[in-house]
Amino acid sequence: DGGITQSPKYLFRKEGQNVTLSCEQNLNHDAMYWYRQDPGQGLRLIYYSQIVNDFQKGDIAEGYSVSREKKESFPLTVTSAQKNPTAFYLCASSIGRTPNTGELFFGEGSRLTVL
Amino acid sequence: GDSVTQMEGPVTLSEEAFLTINCTYTATGYPSLFWYVQYPGEGLQLLLKATKADDKGSNKGFEATYRKETTSFHLEKGSVQVSDSAVYFCALELTGGGNKLTFGTGTQLKVEL
Repeated sequence: DGGITQSPKYLFRKEGQNVTLSCEQNLNHDAMYWYRQDPGQGLRLIYYSQIVNDFQKGDIAEGYSVSREKKESFPLTVTSAQKNPTAFYLCASSIGRTPNTGELFFGEGSRLTVL
Repeated sequence: GDSVTQMEGPVTLSEEAFLTINCTYTATGYPSLFWYVQYPGEGLQLLLKATKADDKGSNKGFEATYRKETTSFHLEKGSVQVSDSAVYFCALELTGGGNKLTFGTGTQLKVEL
């Protein structure tokens, strides 16, 4: 089945620790995205990548880092510099080529809780 | 900057009731507009979209019309079912925006028997 796989689904972390969330897609999509979802705030863009070995900051990139070494993978690291990391993280992908359809395909999300 | 404003939820309806979820937007240029749906415990999925003024998007009995004069894209359904219970997100993408969507805060819909 084609789709986006995020892991782990649930993650607990102590303050001061870095954690990495995995996102893999087998849709052959060029573009990938990381969003953060908080209650009452909707989705906010953390980072996005439109091509391998290139990525851009979104609206709330501080305290996060990403890499895009392979087309199918876009891991997100939540660093100890992120002041409020407890949230639901969603990875998405899109075809990324013109014409844009605007359709994002989402994974099922990873819920990070800082203890 | 670009933004999307949705009505606050939760919206609670009885089965077979008429649904409207309001969405208005602010954008420079001419955006494409979308409704995404998130069922409990899942990621988001595209419900419908419209790419230019007066276009109507429709899917699974849901409809929304792109109204440029009122900068709105309200979601409607004539008769909701319990299975429609979910969170609905309105979103916009500017032309040439590289699929970088701006989302509203989401509106939770609860449908009861």
